[in-house]
Amino acid sequence: DAKTTQPTSMDCAEGRAANLPCNHSTISGNEYVYWYRQIHSQGPQYIIHGLKNNETNEMASLIITEDRKSSTLILPHATLRDTAVYYCIVSTDNYGQNFVFGPGTRLSVLP
Amino acid sequence: DAGITQSPRHKVTETGTPVTLRCHQTENHRYMYWYRQDPGHGLRLIHYSYGVKDTDKGEVSDGYSVSRSKTEDFLLTLESATSSQTSVYFCAISEGYYEQYFGPGTRLTVT
Repeated sequence: DAKTTQPTSMDCAEGRAANLPCNHSTISGNEYVYWYRQIHSQGPQYIIHGLKNNETNEMASLIITEDRKSSTLILPHATLRDTAVYYCIVSTDNYGQNFVFGPGTRLSVLP
Repeated sequence: DAGITQSPRHKVTETGTPVTLRCHQTENHRYMYWYRQDPGHGLRLIHYSYGVKDTDKGEVSDGYSVSRSKTEDFLLTLESATSSQTSVYFCAISEGYYEQYFGPGTRLTVT
């Protein structure tokens, strides 16, 4: 049962903002939204997480809609090194069977 | 990178042989995980540990066993390797809710 739906792939021009959407219409009130990315064949890298408020850190911003049924990860100034597969995960916790990585969105940053 | 190492990094083995993969951490994190990654799938959780000698099954645990006798080491064993277990295996660690830190991965080929 997929908890999240993401586009298979997206392109973004270098230097522009990359906006990656995620639908999670069945999210429960106590579930967080997490974003990870995987560059080439490396292990995934944590980006950001949120519950209901918008969040920002040095890597990205996370915008969660008021009904929490969808969210958008924003990379404000995409670089070639941001080319990766981005995973949106919905879970009550960061461990155990509930933390599921789906196929993700392959983001290609183009020069 | 968080202090996570995996060994071996590459292994080729024959069907029916036992295989043990090792994950070692220097961060003293409580939680440790084993994932596998195959083409067309995201990462799938095999087993995880929430403390020394405390482990539980993940989504795809059949054919795998784990052990954690020390905080820093988490072993994944394939008792009798099959071709369907050819995959890239990632170990991850976390101390709490939000961030998992992933190791560099082990590429296992079962012929």
